[in-house]
Amino acid sequence: GAGVSQSPRYKVAKRGQDVALRCDPISGHVSLFWYQQALGQGPEFLTYFQNEAQLDKSGLPSDRFFAERPEGSVSTLKIQRTQQEDSAVYLCASSSRDFYGYTFGSGTRLTVV
Amino acid sequence: KQEVTQIPAALSVPEGENLVLNCSFTDSAIYNLQWFRQDPGKGLTSLLLIQSSQREQTSGRLNASLDKSSGRSTLYIAASQPGDSATYLCAKYNFNKFYFGSGTKLNVKP
Repeated sequence: GAGVSQSPRYKVAKRGQDVALRCDPISGHVSLFWYQQALGQGPEFLTYFQNEAQLDKSGLPSDRFFAERPEGSVSTLKIQRTQQEDSAVYLCASSSRDFYGYTFGSGTRLTVV
Repeated sequence: KQEVTQIPAALSVPEGENLVLNCSFTDSAIYNLQWFRQDPGKGLTSLLLIQSSQREQTSGRLNASLDKSSGRSTLYIAASQPGDSATYLCAKYNFNKFYFGSGTKLNVKP
């Protein structure tokens, strides 16, 4: 597609439920990021992939968060046993190998009730 | 920890005014800098990218400058319009990640 696609756009989860958020990057983009944006704040880095390799996961807030990109294209961010503090917008971005700016998706707004 | 600070946090101006948004960083390591726009409930739209070897970029009514020695960037918007109302985020890029400020929420009144 022409842009980065994220699904679902909105997700309401009950506390303790597991969720999976999907990111379809721009075709051929090697690099893929996940960011978490709390209300009124700037996005904060979660994790980075180059192709299928997860090169940096230093921003994942706990071991309840897990990301994968098994074939180097689509990525999934999984949150286990969701808690209220996980409520945020989760943004995905992708870039070609030679950096010239990243393209962000519209995000998934997760609300944990 | 790499911190990015944006001033002001919010700004309300009448249509037609020229305005300046400020962004500062805690260190001046070589990096790229990008300005984004975010509309309510939406993702980020890239406005201007300044690569590490550059000092400024222009696109239409927008001009962004980068002073690495002082760790500052400025986004200048000329002749503001109501359609410019949004949150503007600056982000420093190095070590394969963006470090974002909290943004400046701009309201341009007709």
